[in-house]
Amino acid sequence: EPEVTQTPSHQVTQMGQEVILRCVPISNHLYFYWYRQILGQKVEFLVSFYNNEISEKSEIFDDQFSVERPDGSNFTLKIRSTKLEDSAMYFCASSATGQGNNEQFFGPGTRLTVL
Amino acid sequence: GESVGLHLPTLSVQEGDNSIINCAYSNSASDYFIWYKQESGKGPQFIIDIRSNMDKRQGQRVTVLLNKTVKHLSLQIAATQPGDSAVYFCAENKRDDKIIFGKGTRLHILP
Repeated sequence: EPEVTQTPSHQVTQMGQEVILRCVPISNHLYFYWYRQILGQKVEFLVSFYNNEISEKSEIFDDQFSVERPDGSNFTLKIRSTKLEDSAMYFCASSATGQGNNEQFFGPGTRLTVL
Repeated sequence: GESVGLHLPTLSVQEGDNSIINCAYSNSASDYFIWYKQESGKGPQFIIDIRSNMDKRQGQRVTVLLNKTVKHLSLQIAATQPGDSAVYFCAENKRDDKIIFGKGTRLHILP
């Protein structure tokens, strides 16, 4: 069964450093998403991406964040200068179609720890 | 603002009994809801969804009920098993394709 994969599973970084979280969406999917979950809290939408551009982003997704699809398989989330409050689980998701009527499949997540 | 939330952070159920997890939402215009299961160390996993033109939908051992009058959603799990232990989120899938998650209920299965 096809699945979304994410690397690394755990990333530890110093405050102020740049991190890149990587995702490989399901191969025939066209819509890609990043969500985050601070420990013990709910999953929060960050950004959606389609046709090589951002479709929508939340208030959390400020200028420190960027997304990219550098090739035909990877989808990345970059945080330029990490802050302590960026520590969270980051989930990538993909769906075959958008418009709120298609299942989003989630990856296992990357745990980001900012020291 | 938009809000989807659950009533209880934790629910303990005897193995073999039925579980009922509740959720409330605030936006009467909401029209598509999803229940997700999140096991420890994993991402959210789709369980079942329901649209606002329905009030009940059944899957394998799971049933979702939607009461639009009181803006309430519930997930029923029949004959709860140890593998059902997880955090369950109700969520709204907005027309602009982002998912708004509630806070989650942790389901404990008692032997």
